Amino acid sequence: GQQLNQSPQSMFIQEGEDVSMNCTSSSIFNTWLWYKQDPGEGPVLLIALYKAGELTSNGRLTAQFGITRKDSFLNISASIPSDVGIYFCAGLTYNTDKLIFGTGTRLQVFP
Amino acid sequence: DGGITQSPKYLFRKEGQNVTLSCEQNLNHDAMYWYRQDPGQGLRLIYYSQIVNDFQKGDIAEGYSVSREKKESFPLTVTSAQKNPTAFYLCASSADRERAEAFFGQGTRLTVV
Repeated sequence: GQQLNQSPQSMFIQEGEDVSMNCTSSSIFNTWLWYKQDPGEGPVLLIALYKAGELTSNGRLTAQFGITRKDSFLNISASIPSDVGIYFCAGLTYNTDKLIFGTGTRLQVFP
Repeated sequence: DGGITQSPKYLFRKEGQNVTLSCEQNLNHDAMYWYRQDPGQGLRLIYYSQIVNDFQKGDIAEGYSVSREKKESFPLTVTSAQKNPTAFYLCASSADRERAEAFFGQGTRLTVV
């Protein structure tokens, strides 16, 4: 099936540091979504992007829809312990109705 | 409160038995999805439905079946043909194709022994 490649797979950072992660595909997407999942729970939507080049913020989180339409980026500024979790990107292509998820980035924040 | 509800949270079944996982939403969403998540892995699409009485296979549909008889309900049956059914199952819904933000239920952890 179609796949979205997320990197890095995992990150171990100190509280207060900024974080960057990205998601890439060989296909063009018309929607990018970013989610956070806590252990044993369903993913929670963080940011939705609908236009190439769009830059959207949600508190300390900022995400961008790449201008090639094949990638997206998520930045977290001044990380705090509750940022710990798995971050997933998801995308919807022009020619399918399937919402495809990336492989996830596991974030660990140390005090 | 509007939302998407999966039940039960934990489910145990004997090998060879079919089991049905419930997913209900009161958000008036057209689209509904079922995903499977294995430990340390991402989400893989099992089935999805964009409208009542219609659904499509995802990337790993073998051994699963669904129905969409009502807009608010999208139950998933894990059949005995599914070779490795133990996993965390997540249901999601979105308003429609243009408003693709998907909202998830709490998940059902299925253990087959």
